[in-house]
Amino acid sequence: QQPVQSPQAVILREGEDAVINCSSSKALYSVHWYRQKHGEAPVFLMILLKGGEQKGHDKISASFNEKKQQSSLYLTASQLSYSGTYFCGTWVYGKLTFGQGTILTVHP
Amino acid sequence: ETGVTQSPTHLIKTRGQQVTLRCSSQSGHNTVSWYQQALGQGPQFIFQYYREEENGRGNFPPRFSGLQFPNYSSELNVNALELDDSALYLCASSPLPAQNQPQHFGDGTRLSIL
Repeated sequence: QQPVQSPQAVILREGEDAVINCSSSKALYSVHWYRQKHGEAPVFLMILLKGGEQKGHDKISASFNEKKQQSSLYLTASQLSYSGTYFCGTWVYGKLTFGQGTILTVHP
Repeated sequence: ETGVTQSPTHLIKTRGQQVTLRCSSQSGHNTVSWYQQALGQGPQFIFQYYREEENGRGNFPPRFSGLQFPNYSSELNVNALELDDSALYLCASSPLPAQNQPQHFGDGTRLSIL
């Protein structure tokens, strides 16, 4: 069963912040985050493993709460280059299952 | 370092035909996974190959089959094509078939079924 992402779409102005959530009905061992721009391949952002860790990459960070079976992606001071579709992927029973995606649009 | 490359980039087939898609993994990666991405959806896992053996399969019928070669490149074969097979097919490689390994995606093959 695929993880559920929310919201489905977000529209921001440059410099604003956003949070994208990912939840699963199954126990999670790891969560992957990817960004895909229109007509391009998904690009790896980060992986979070069990332990409630938080990771960061520039102004994009994420948290993982395995008890709640949830992960959140935090985008701060958004830039135009952040526009795209964000996917979380959950690793269950040896395969990576992706959510339906969250479309993020950043306007000047 | 050469990234993941896929061929062809676009393909048009008719119902009932067969198709072979190809993928070269990133240097140093021995694991290749294939995904189907319908328009507006997330990638769906088809199967994974590790050291030339199938190492996991998603909910796809047997007419979806694959191969991995000694150089770790891979093929996805689809028989008896159906209209619903129209999608972007993505190949991703990783150093190992483990949950802590990032997937490095190719640009995909856009398959259209008429």
